[in-house]
Amino acid sequence: GENVEQHPSTLSVQEGDSAVIKCTYSDSASNYFPWYKQELGKRPQLIIDIRSNVGEKKDQRIAVTLNKTAKHFSLHITETQPEDSAVYFCAAISNYQLIWGAGTKLIIKP
Amino acid sequence: DGGITQSPKYLFRKEGQNVTLSCEQNLNHDAMYWYRQDPGQGLRLIYYSQIVNDFQKGDIAEGYSVSREKKESFPLTVTSAQKNPTAFYLCASSGAGTSGRAQYFGPGTRLLVL
Repeated sequence: GENVEQHPSTLSVQEGDSAVIKCTYSDSASNYFPWYKQELGKRPQLIIDIRSNVGEKKDQRIAVTLNKTAKHFSLHITETQPEDSAVYFCAAISNYQLIWGAGTKLIIKP
Repeated sequence: DGGITQSPKYLFRKEGQNVTLSCEQNLNHDAMYWYRQDPGQGLRLIYYSQIVNDFQKGDIAEGYSVSREKKESFPLTVTSAQKNPTAFYLCASSGAGTSGRAQYFGPGTRLLVL
């Protein structure tokens, strides 16, 4: 079946530095790629998404880039803050379903 | 996501018992989903429904059942056939269509086995 690989599984960065999380997908027909943030014990929350007709999208300190040829997309968080600590999930649409990455635990060191 | 509610917040199941988790949405979304999340793990799809009176199995449907009699409601029953049901259960909804749509999640139900 289709799959999404996400790396790294854990990412530790100094407060104020940037963080990058990368995902690759297998279904060349995928045209929608959301990113979710899940804080401990809470529901996943959509933080940004991108469609296949766009190469990059920004929202304040968060940006997502998409390379359709290579079938990979990345989440970039700049000027990281303590409240960015969470698990981040990428996903890709395939046959009406979201195929999820395994998640990245982002740790912000003070 | 404030338009999706799940109840109860915590649920305790005894051996051999069926339990039903509630999911309601007032977002006028056509599609609804059930996911299971084990501690420290990702999301696994149990069932999904694109339209009323229709639903499909996800990756881990065994031991679970659903119904979709109303657009707003998508209850999940955890049957006695599910031998390891302890997990965090998340319901989500999205608009339907051939293009991808964002899924919005309810607050979740934690199921524990007594």
